[in-house]
Amino acid sequence: AQRVTQPEKLLSVFKGAPVELKCNYSYSGSPELFWYVQYSRQRLQLLLRHISRESIKGFTADLNKGETSFHLKKPFAQEEDSAMYYCALSGLSGGSPSGAGSYQLTFGKGTKLSVIP
Amino acid sequence: GAVVSQHPSRVICKSGTSVKIECRSLDFQATTMFWYRQFPKQSLMLMATSNEGSKATYEQGVEKDKFLINHASLTLSTLTVTSAHPEDSSFYICSAREVRNAKAEAFFGQGTRLTVV
Repeated sequence: AQRVTQPEKLLSVFKGAPVELKCNYSYSGSPELFWYVQYSRQRLQLLLRHISRESIKGFTADLNKGETSFHLKKPFAQEEDSAMYYCALSGLSGGSPSGAGSYQLTFGKGTKLSVIP
Repeated sequence: GAVVSQHPSRVICKSGTSVKIECRSLDFQATTMFWYRQFPKQSLMLMATSNEGSKATYEQGVEKDKFLINHASLTLSTLTVTSAHPEDSSFYICSAREVRNAKAEAFFGQGTRLTVV
C-alpha cells in the first residue's frame, strides 16, 4: 500500500520568510514523487517532480529515502505563493507475473499555504 | 502541456434530478481518467478510475449506482450524478494520466461546481 502524509493543513508565513511544506510517504518500492499546486480559482497543476531535480518558482524538493520524506522548500516566500499544495506519490498498483501493472497516483490531504504581506 | 477540459464549470440542479459532467482530453488520448471530489477547504478525494472501454473502478464508499461513469472514447469520460441531493453539492474534478509510466504527469480539468437545491 502507498500512503502520503502532509501533517499540516494550514501553514502561515510572513512574506520573505522561509517556507517548508512537509510530506512523508510510505511505499515499499522506489517512489516517484511530485508536488502539485492549486492557486485560487485555478486548476491543479504540476509544480515539480523529484526526478527533475529542478527549482520551479523558487521551490525545491529533495527526496530523502532514509526519512521517507519529500519536503517542499522555498527560502523566501512571496504573496503569490499562497495556494493549496499537494504532495503525490506514483507507485505500482496491481500487476501480473509478466510485470504489467499500472502506476497509481496517491495524493496527500494538502497544505494550504498563506503568505502574509 | 496537455489540456483536459471539463464541462460545465458550474451547474445548479434541483434535488432528485441527474447531472452529467464531461471531461475531455483535448490533445492526447487518455486511456485512463480519474474523478475526484473536493469539499470546501478540504483535500481531493478520489472517487473512481475510468478506463476506456471498460467498467470504472470505484473507491470504497463511493456508490457506483449514484455516480455513473462512462468512458466511451479515448478523449471523453462522463460522470453522471443520479438523483442528486443537497449533500452531493461539491466540486468535482477530473484528471488524465498515463498509468503505464511512473513518471507521468497528471493533467486536471478546471473542475465543476455542483449545487443541488
